[in-house]
Amino acid sequence: NAGVTQTPKFQVLKTGQSMTLQCAQDMNHEYMSWYRQDPGMGLRLIHYSVGAGITDQGEVPNGYNVSRSTTEDFPLRLLSAAPSQTSVYFCASSAGSGFSYEQYFGPGTRLTVT
Amino acid sequence: RKEVEQDPGPFNVPEGATVAFNCTYSNSASQSFFWYRQDCRKEPKLLMSVYSSGNEDGRFTAQLNRASQYISLLIRDSKLSDSATYLCVVGGKLIFGQGTELSVKP
Repeated sequence: NAGVTQTPKFQVLKTGQSMTLQCAQDMNHEYMSWYRQDPGMGLRLIHYSVGAGITDQGEVPNGYNVSRSTTEDFPLRLLSAAPSQTSVYFCASSAGSGFSYEQYFGPGTRLTVT
Repeated sequence: RKEVEQDPGPFNVPEGATVAFNCTYSNSASQSFFWYRQDCRKEPKLLMSVYSSGNEDGRFTAQLNRASQYISLLIRDSKLSDSATYLCVVGGKLIFGQGTELSVKP
């Protein structure tokens, strides 16, 4: 099993550009989520999904969109990149019927917006 | 007040020392608690769940104090390989603390 994979590993964008961060898992997990990590801030939840076709907002959803058309994939879209979105982005998945289960994280995408 | 707060450290300790981290949470209805470990620029990985009765895994002991709304992580006989950032996590929506950095020195 590859676990949770994320692409790209690194990305530089100019202000106003859009892009999609890819996330895939091969563990048949129902729950997937996106976090961003900034120095001194810990991980903050952007969006999450409890299954295919169902998504919801987390703590910091503004400027990001998600969709969940399959169990395996959970892409994160930046609509119009801003310097404030410079961060490390982690995708995670977990099994079970809630957030009381271990989260498996991908290796992260390091995004810089200039 | 933040939902989950940790002392950011860094904690600098010698090998063999015992070190303890605390993490406070604001939502008294929280039911799930975890400690994650994050090595420099890597993804977080689950260290241990925290159960109401407290639990131990080798050199690591986790405890929950519901009355005072905090969880703790105790590391005994610290190893150089324990150097990392330790994140406390409080569920429902898995709110992460900002992490406590530990550096174990020879």
